[in-house]
Amino acid sequence: RKEVEQDPGPFNVPEGATVAFNCTYSNSASQSFFWYRQDCRKEPKLLMSVYSSGNEDGRFTAQLNRASQYISLLIRDSKLSDSATYLCVVKSGYSGGSNYKLTFGKGTLLTVNP
Amino acid sequence: DARVTQTPRDKVTEMGQEVTMRCQPILGHNTVFWYRQTMMQGLELLAYFRNRAPLDDSGMPKDRFSAEMPDATLATLKIQPSEPRDSAVYFCASGSYSAVSGGALGELFFGEGSRLTVL
Repeated sequence: RKEVEQDPGPFNVPEGATVAFNCTYSNSASQSFFWYRQDCRKEPKLLMSVYSSGNEDGRFTAQLNRASQYISLLIRDSKLSDSATYLCVVKSGYSGGSNYKLTFGKGTLLTVNP
Repeated sequence: DARVTQTPRDKVTEMGQEVTMRCQPILGHNTVFWYRQTMMQGLELLAYFRNRAPLDDSGMPKDRFSAEMPDATLATLKIQPSEPRDSAVYFCASGSYSAVSGGALGELFFGEGSRLTVL
């Protein structure tokens, strides 16, 4: 099982739609979770962190279910400018020590159509 | 506006040639990562440095790839000899890690990437 798995999409939605992305992770000891956004032929950039209680940033809502090892991102009232690839990212430690790494999912491609 | 700088932006080379990619992390960041991105595999971690010391390079093909940080302002990734399967976008990313806070590594700042094509 891959460390971080996402539905690759593509998701094609009309402007104004609500769309949800899901992500599962295999390491139950993972500590922190993030969503990054990557525009076509650009570098990934942090969209938002994911907190245990769930968190919202404008039209974006992120949720975490540790028991199911599942993360989600909800985009409400989608805009043309939301078209991008959304990457699920999991931070986990190495066995022993204090080293950490970020593992990226392959991403979910979203296209918002006029 | 602080940013990670990578060179070259684009590189086309022939199989067997040496390729060196360079990265200047954001000043003050003590953690540097090299990732490779392809359509098939997504973003794969190649190497990871903290305070210039290599912590993990298990994702890197050891026989042909090498990564170093000769100083705090420069990270390099070298491929020798290059092969067509090395064609990908190589990203460098930097971040801050604080041992005091138990590992505050969260946001990574990525460079614009080096697009490598090996013919």
